Amino acid sequence: GAGVSQSPRYKVTKRGQDVALRCDPISGHVSLYWYRQALGQGPEFLTYFNYEAQQDKSGLPNDRFSAERPEGSISTLTIQRTEQRDSAMYRCASSFFRGDEQYFGPGTRLTVT
Amino acid sequence: GEDVEQSLFLSVREGDSSVINCTYTDSSSTYLYWYKQEPGAGLQLLTYIFSNMDMKQDQRLTVLLNKKDKHLSLRIADTQTGDSAIYFCAESIGNTDKLIFGTGTRLQVFP
Repeated sequence: GAGVSQSPRYKVTKRGQDVALRCDPISGHVSLYWYRQALGQGPEFLTYFNYEAQQDKSGLPNDRFSAERPEGSISTLTIQRTEQRDSAMYRCASSFFRGDEQYFGPGTRLTVT
Repeated sequence: GEDVEQSLFLSVREGDSSVINCTYTDSSSTYLYWYKQEPGAGLQLLTYIFSNMDMKQDQRLTVLLNKKDKHLSLRIADTQTGDSAIYFCAESIGNTDKLIFGTGTRLQVFP
């Protein structure tokens, strides 16, 4: 595609529910990153994929958060048993390869009520 | 540890130059970036500089890097109202080149 796309753009969920956020990177981009951005803050790294391999998940806050990229293209970030503190903008970025410029998607605004 | 700091606000008159400053702590950074975020929009990559350079110019944008002091700045010449946004500096670190972002500087341009 022309750019990184994310869906849904907005998600409101009740505390305790599971959510799945999708990222469709730029075609041909090998590297994919997930970031979380709280209001008034800069994005914070969550996890990184190279092709389908999750190579760094050091930024995932706890074991309720997981991510996959099974075919090396689309990625899903899943949050289980959501809590109010999970409310944030979740951003995905892709780059042609590690070290190249990262292009960001529009983000998914998650609100947990 | 990894930390990137920026001042929170900058207000300039249209036509003046803007200078946004950033300090970082990780000396192993390979690239340093400037991103722009407009209300309701995603992050737009403005420019970047390789860590062995000390200056890069790109039209109205000038990036200065002082590696000794770990200080990065973005100068916008002839600032326009359309430049009003939040500007984030970021450093890439580690063998995954994940980005560590600052808290962002809100630039307000008034006529």
